[in-house]
Parts: sequence; C-alpha cells; structure tokens
Amino acid sequence: DTEVTQTPKHLVMGMTNKKSLKCEQHMGHRAMYWYKQKAKKPPELMFVYSYEKLSINESVPSRFSPECPNSSLLNLHLHALQPEDSALYLCASSPTLANSGANVLTFGAGSRLTVL
Amino acid sequence: AQTVTQSQPEMSVQEAETVTLSCTYDTSESDYYLFWYKQPPSRQMILVIRQEAYKQQNATENRFSVNFQKAAKSFSLKISDSQLGDAAMYFCAYRPPNFGNEKLTFGTGTRLTIIP
Repeated sequence: DTEVTQTPKHLVMGMTNKKSLKCEQHMGHRAMYWYKQKAKKPPELMFVYSYEKLSINESVPSRFSPECPNSSLLNLHLHALQPEDSALYLCASSPTLANSGANVLTFGAGSRLTVL
Repeated sequence: AQTVTQSQPEMSVQEAETVTLSCTYDTSESDYYLFWYKQPPSRQMILVIRQEAYKQQNATENRFSVNFQKAAKSFSLKISDSQLGDAAMYFCAYRPPNFGNEKLTFGTGTRLTIIP
C-alpha cells in the first residue's frame, strides 16, 4: 500500500460547525504533515507530526487542531472557521524527518473545504 | 530564508513535443535536495524527480529529466514526448541540508497545458 487516503474529499461547513478531516497511511511512515493550499498557490505547511508527537506548528490559529491517534492516522479538527479558511487541505507522509534522499513526501488527494 | 522562483506561470506544448520548465533557487548551502512535484487536476501532488546537489549527473526518470546548473542555481525540468496526462501544475521545491521535509520550500508553480 503506497497511498495516503484523505476523507472527506469535499466538505462544506458553516462558521459555527465542528468538523474533522481524516488522513490515513499504511506505509509505516513515522512523519505526517498537514498542508493548506489556496487556489493557484503552492502548499503551505501547517503541522508536522513525528512519531505521533507534534513536531512543528507553523503558527496556525487554534481553530485548527491536529491530532495523531496512532502512527497511521492523522486528523485535523476544525472549529469556528472563517470563510478565508476555505482551501484544499493536503495530508502527506514520509518515512521520517531525516535528511535523506529517500525521505520524500507522499501526498493524499486532499480535502476541499468550503466555509460559508 | 530560501526562495524558489518559477518564472513561468503557464506553459503549453503540443502533444509529443518537448517542453522545459524553469526553476531557480537561492541558497548559500553546498549540499541540498531539489525536487519537482506534479499536481494534476486530481489534486494529488506526485513526486516527478529528485536531485541531490552533490551529484553532478542530472537525474532522469523515463521521459522526465533535469538540467541542474549548481553554479547558476538553476534546476529546470525537461519533459520529452509530452502526453495528455502530463497536464498539471508543476512545483519545484528545495530542501536544505540537515533537515527533512519540514523545511521543504516550494516555488509558485507552472501550469502546463498539453495541446492535442
């Protein structure tokens, strides 16, 4: 299995809703990432988990709450979002955080989020 | 902070022809990694090719090859025998030494259209 699976593919939510994005991989990767991508822009790093511990938080607002329940799963909990948070949210994984040529990112297909 | 510049927002090529996408980067390091990622309309970012800076030989993956000019800090992607499935957004990315993908810097992307 060489895939990163993200659900849901599309999500529409109001500003008062609470929802979650889910990401799953079964490649044995120990580093997992959340990226935010606005239209026609490159992905922007939000969070990094290494061995199920939060390693990096790129000053993301607290209305985004990541969670890594186990080595295969990564969630992004959403609460009280703003319309400007509408974007494609990409999950990725890599074997580790090591500096190695083999340590490349495998991305999921993303969750398209619309906040009304 | 490192910067990665893709000066061609859009490119188009006839099917079966060859196209070259440009990328330049700014770094004071001597050993680093460079990547090209492809993002088709399906949204999933896919690794196309990688180059390790200490290797002088240009990387090649089937129809995809790079022209790595270290002194000029240039890393262009050549796609030979273009196919309809090559239509996508292409992102160049730089990763500094001693770090993993948490320090990956993407360029702004080049949208490639394949003309049948």
